[in-house]
Amino acid sequence: GAGVSQSPSNKVTEKGKDVELRCDPISGHTALYWYRQSLGQGLEFLIYFQGNSAPDKSGLPSDRFSAERTGGSVSTLTIQRTQQEDSAVYLCASSSGPLDSYEQYFGPGTRLTVT
Amino acid sequence: DAKTTQPTSMDCAEGRAANLPCNHSTISGNEYVYWYRQIHSQGPQYIIHGLKNNETNEMASLIITEDRKSSTLILPHATLRDTAVYYCIVRVPRGSSNTGKLIFGQGTTLQVKP
Repeated sequence: GAGVSQSPSNKVTEKGKDVELRCDPISGHTALYWYRQSLGQGLEFLIYFQGNSAPDKSGLPSDRFSAERTGGSVSTLTIQRTQQEDSAVYLCASSSGPLDSYEQYFGPGTRLTVT
Repeated sequence: DAKTTQPTSMDCAEGRAANLPCNHSTISGNEYVYWYRQIHSQGPQYIIHGLKNNETNEMASLIITEDRKSSTLILPHATLRDTAVYYCIVRVPRGSSNTGKLIFGQGTTLQVKP
């Protein structure tokens, strides 16, 4: 079956612009996570969705970052007024519910470059 | 979540067993040990998990010490495609009060050589 997909695969944007990154989780997976991976910081958690709710937003680095999930499926991560330090690979993962299946399935990521 | 310690890098000859150690001396009774790996330019991939008992699946075996303070991931016959960064993570499974988020350390870079 289809895995987690993310789009775009690569995004180059100018400093100060807004960007939207999309994640399509595995069908039926109720849990969705966003992570990012940068050279200096490794893999870090950003936000967790259970259905359309986000009970854990503790990893979002600033108020320029926001995310939403609609219909318990697609999620969009939005970065406003991008900065060079936002350059990273943004990874999405999903997991089946209601309780943990122990596995998170990751997408291929979106490589964001802010110039 | 408990912190883990892994060697920065390891080499393994193709066809031989790769044994990747992980220390998690502060693990709590309800925390599981998970292993993920990340092949270059791909998202992380789940390998295996365990609580107390040793576990085996089609990818690997997980050996957890009796005191649960350390574990070893074993790839029985490493191939060149197993070259990746391997992450050992300990956490409480997702539930009503836990998000199940993964906290990644630096992992072990395994280089499988011909």
